[in-house]
Amino acid sequence: EAGVAQSPRYKIIEKRQSVAFWCNPISGHATLYWYQQILGQGPKLLIQFQNNGVVDDSQLPKDRFSAERLKGVDSTLKIQPAKLEDSAVYLCASTAQYTGELFFGEGSRLTVL
Amino acid sequence: GESVGLHLPTLSVQEGDNSIINCAYSNSASDYFIWYKQESGKGPQFIIDIRSNMDKRQGQRVTVLLNKTVKHLSLQIAATQPGDSAVYFCAESKSELGGTSYGKLTFGQGTILTVHP
Repeated sequence: EAGVAQSPRYKIIEKRQSVAFWCNPISGHATLYWYQQILGQGPKLLIQFQNNGVVDDSQLPKDRFSAERLKGVDSTLKIQPAKLEDSAVYLCASTAQYTGELFFGEGSRLTVL
Repeated sequence: GESVGLHLPTLSVQEGDNSIINCAYSNSASDYFIWYKQESGKGPQFIIDIRSNMDKRQGQRVTVLLNKTVKHLSLQIAATQPGDSAVYFCAESKSELGGTSYGKLTFGQGTILTVHP
């Protein structure tokens, strides 16, 4: 079974530039999450999708972050404009509906200079 | 807001020893707890979970203990191996209608486990 795929693995940008990350969850997983992991900290939930709808985006900084999952499969997370404090690993995760195990991708590491 | 935290940021053990990683949580409404292992450059990997109606659960070489009275969670790794070296996170969540909360986790800061051969 293929895991959660993310790209790019690494991205370096200057502040005020924009960046987008892509995620393809495990086939059949209806629920998709984006987490932000700052160096030395545990992951922090940004947004949760159920199929193509947003379930919870209460912790997403909506002035600069946006995310979509238009067809209920792949998802993109965008940051515009980026700030220095956005430097982090952005982790995508998915879970089958009503089961407990969350599967993470390897993450996209963002460095903002 | 409420969060999950760890007592020890680093733990160093010899190969073959047993390891114990501790975690304190503050949200008394949490009813689902999970331990994750994260190796450098990789995403967190599920190790074991436990629900609040249990106080102990065992897996292969790992045991999770939950003490709801003092809001404490621990992960025991038996016969620790060099391949166990990683950062270990505890995480918590609470049930929501429709079962949509399993992936809505609050993570602790992590404990670095180093296993010496």
